[in-house]
Parts: sequence; structure tokens; C-alpha cells
Amino acid sequence: RKEVEQDPGPFNVPEGATVAFNCTYSNSASQSFFWYRQDCRKEPKLLMSVYSSGNEDGRFTAQLNRASQYISLLIRDSKLSDSATYLCVVIGNTGRRALTFGSGTRLQVQP
Amino acid sequence: DAGVIQSPRHEVTEMGQEVTLRCKPISGHNSLFWYRQTMMRGLELLIYFNNNVPIDDSGMPEDRFSAKMPNASFSTLKIQPSEPRDSAVYFCASSRAGNYLTGVLFFGEGSRLTVL
Repeated sequence: RKEVEQDPGPFNVPEGATVAFNCTYSNSASQSFFWYRQDCRKEPKLLMSVYSSGNEDGRFTAQLNRASQYISLLIRDSKLSDSATYLCVVIGNTGRRALTFGSGTRLQVQP
Repeated sequence: DAGVIQSPRHEVTEMGQEVTLRCKPISGHNSLFWYRQTMMRGLELLIYFNNNVPIDDSGMPEDRFSAKMPNASFSTLKIQPSEPRDSAVYFCASSRAGNYLTGVLFFGEGSRLTVL
């Protein structure tokens, strides 16, 4: 089983829709979680951290479910500019190879 | 402020040739990371340095790959000899000491390598 797993998509949604992605992780001792965004042929950029109590940044909401070992990203009122690949990142609590990226979920927002 | 700077942006080479990728981290950042991204395997950590010292190179595929960080403002990733399966986008990223564990990495624009 991969350390971090994401549905590759693509998720094709119309403008204005609400869309959610999940990311599952295998290490129950993982401590920190993040979402990165990667535009086509560009570098990944930090989108937001994921806090235990859940957190919101404008149209974006991130949540953590430790019991089921997944994090989620909800995007409301999708814009064309939200089209990108969303990578989840999990940081474990032991060992040197602590930071692991998922393979990403591709979102395509259509007019 | 300048971000992470990588060169070359694109490299096309023939199998067996030596490839050297370069990275200049953000000034003041103490940690530097080399990642490789392919469609099949996603983003893989190859090696990371803290204060110019390699901390974990277990992601380096094999002896053909080597990385150095001679000072705080420069790192290289070398592949010798290169093979077609090395074709990928190689990203360099940096973070402030301690911020690695907060997940805040700043990536360069990447070096797209094609080995024929």
C-alpha cells in the first residue's frame, strides 16, 4: 500500500460547482498534512495546511479525519483558474524521509 | 525576492552522456531538496540537505546519481551515465530550517530532462 494515495481523476466540473477530493495515508502516526497545487508544467506551490479542527481559506476548506486516516479538500464555487493538480502532503513523525507527496488529483473546471 | 533558481530549464541529451542540474536556493533557507517527477511515479524525493549536509539520500535511484551542496547557495544533481528512464522533471526546493517539518517548501521551476 502506498504511503499516500489520491484518486488521479480527472474531476471535470462546471464553473460554480463544489468539488471535494480525498487523500488517504497509511501511517497512523503522521503528524502534519498539507495541500499543494500544481499547474500544468509548473512547480508545486503550497495551497494550505490542514489542521486537526479543519480550516478554511476563502473558497477552500481542508479537513482531517484521523480515525479513517484521510484528509480532504473542498472547493466551493469553482473557477476556471482552479483547474490544476492538487497534491496532498503527509509528514510522519519518525525517520528521515518524513515528507511524502501524493501523486495528485487533477481538476478541470469547465465553462 | 528571488525564488529557487534552477538551470537548465530544459535538457535533451543522448544516452550515456553526463547531465548536471543546478540549483540556487532562496537566501536564508537552510534545507534543500531534490525531487523527480514523472507521470508514472509522481513526485519522488531523491535527496535532501540540511545546512549543506546530506541528511537522507535513500531516494537516489542508483550510483549513477550524485548530489552535492558545496555551499549554502548552490547545489548540483549529476547523472552519469544518463539513461532514457531518467527522463523526468527534476525539481529543487528549499525551506527554512525547521520549516521542513511544517511542510513549507518553495520549489524552483524545474529542469525538464529528456534522454534519447
